[in-house]
Amino acid sequence: GAGVSQTPSNKVTEKGKYVELRCDPISGHTALYWYRQSLGQGPEFLIYFQGTGAADDSGLPNDRFFAVRPEGSVSTLKIQRTERGDSAVYLCASSIAGGGNEQFFGPGTRLTVL
Amino acid sequence: KNQVEQSPQSLIILEGKNCTLQCNYTVSPFSNLRWYKQDTGRGPVSLTIMTFSENTKSNGRYTATLDADTKQSSLHITASQLSDSASYICVVSAIKAAGNKLTFGGGTRVLVKP
Repeated sequence: GAGVSQTPSNKVTEKGKYVELRCDPISGHTALYWYRQSLGQGPEFLIYFQGTGAADDSGLPNDRFFAVRPEGSVSTLKIQRTERGDSAVYLCASSIAGGGNEQFFGPGTRLTVL
Repeated sequence: KNQVEQSPQSLIILEGKNCTLQCNYTVSPFSNLRWYKQDTGRGPVSLTIMTFSENTKSNGRYTATLDADTKQSSLHITASQLSDSASYICVVSAIKAAGNKLTFGGGTRVLVKP
């Protein structure tokens, strides 16, 4: 596709449930990033993939959060036992490689935990 | 701790007027600084990028400046248009072994009124 796509665009779930958020990066981009953005704030780094491996997962808040990128393209962010505080917009970005290359962002998935 | 502070948090300007947004950072080792525009419900889009040796960079009606000594940057919007209404996010990249790490400011929400 022409840009980074994310699905679903909106997700409403109940506290304690499990959710999966999907990111399709720009074709050929080896680097993929997940961010979380709360209302009125800038994005907060979660995890960075270079190819299939997580090069930096220092931003994941706790072990309820996990992300995979098994074939080095599509990535899935998984949140177990969701809490109301997990409500936010989850942004995915990709770049040609890591380093200082420009990151292209998807539209985000708005997660609401009731 | 790497931090990026932006001011003001929000501003309202009349169509056709100019405005300047500020960004102060404490990120090291510094790699580059980008200004992103984020429309409501969309992912951020890069406007400008500056490295250590660059003092100013323009993109149409957007002009960014960088003072690496004082660790300050500004984004000047000239002859504002209604479509400039958005959040503007200052993003500073630090050189890390596992790839550049981005630190996002909280953004300045700009509303252009006719």
